[in-house]
Amino acid sequence: DIVMTQSPDSLAVSLGERATINCKSSQNLLYSSNNKNYLAWYQQKPGQPPRLLIYWASTRESGVPDRFSGSGSGTDFTLTISSLQAEDVALYYCQQYYNTPFTFGQGTKLEIK
Amino acid sequence: QVQLVESGGGVVQPGRSLRLSCAASGFTFSSYSMHWVRRAPGKGLEWVALISYDGINKDYADSVKGRFTLSRDNSKNTLLLQMNSLRADDTAVYYCARGENADFFAYWGQGTLVTVSS
Repeated sequence: DIVMTQSPDSLAVSLGERATINCKSSQNLLYSSNNKNYLAWYQQKPGQPPRLLIYWASTRESGVPDRFSGSGSGTDFTLTISSLQAEDVALYYCQQYYNTPFTFGQGTKLEIK
Repeated sequence: QVQLVESGGGVVQPGRSLRLSCAASGFTFSSYSMHWVRRAPGKGLEWVALISYDGINKDYADSVKGRFTLSRDNSKNTLLLQMNSLRADDTAVYYCARGENADFFAYWGQGTLVTVSS
């Protein structure tokens, strides 16, 4: 199974500042035939289902604010929130969909400093 | 708009069975793979199972393989998860999710809580 490891486990950032969450995969998620990284990012708030933010490692889902961006390739990926807003307080997960079993990172809890 | 509505959760004793349903609307159900993902209390997200658009291909997490069975009725736009031999560590909120072209999840239901306890 592909193991996804996020860092840090929790993060406190001041409003308006940048937040960065890292995700490392135990296997390469770049599929050579289409040059795509099979990596997604989700946001989950209490009592709500997860919300897709980013797929193919860097493609922003429709309706997601442009302060959210994804980067990285192969085994190392990053979710960046360029200017933290109060509504961004949540848990964030990366997920690999390269092969089954699809696996998620353990989650990163983002709070306001 | 796309809607996924889970039902069937509840409290069940260890070793017993439960069947979850997911009613889909707002899209061509028969064109998409469907998944179940769960989140246990205080834990992260865990992918549980997938079924292909036509119901032919299925795959399960090792933690549920042999105990859970996924099926779909494309004529009724319904996804079913039969859960047998339930254990305490199956306690979780269960979400159904639509698989996009490569099985990331753009649409999720609100979830249904399954509690396995004596």
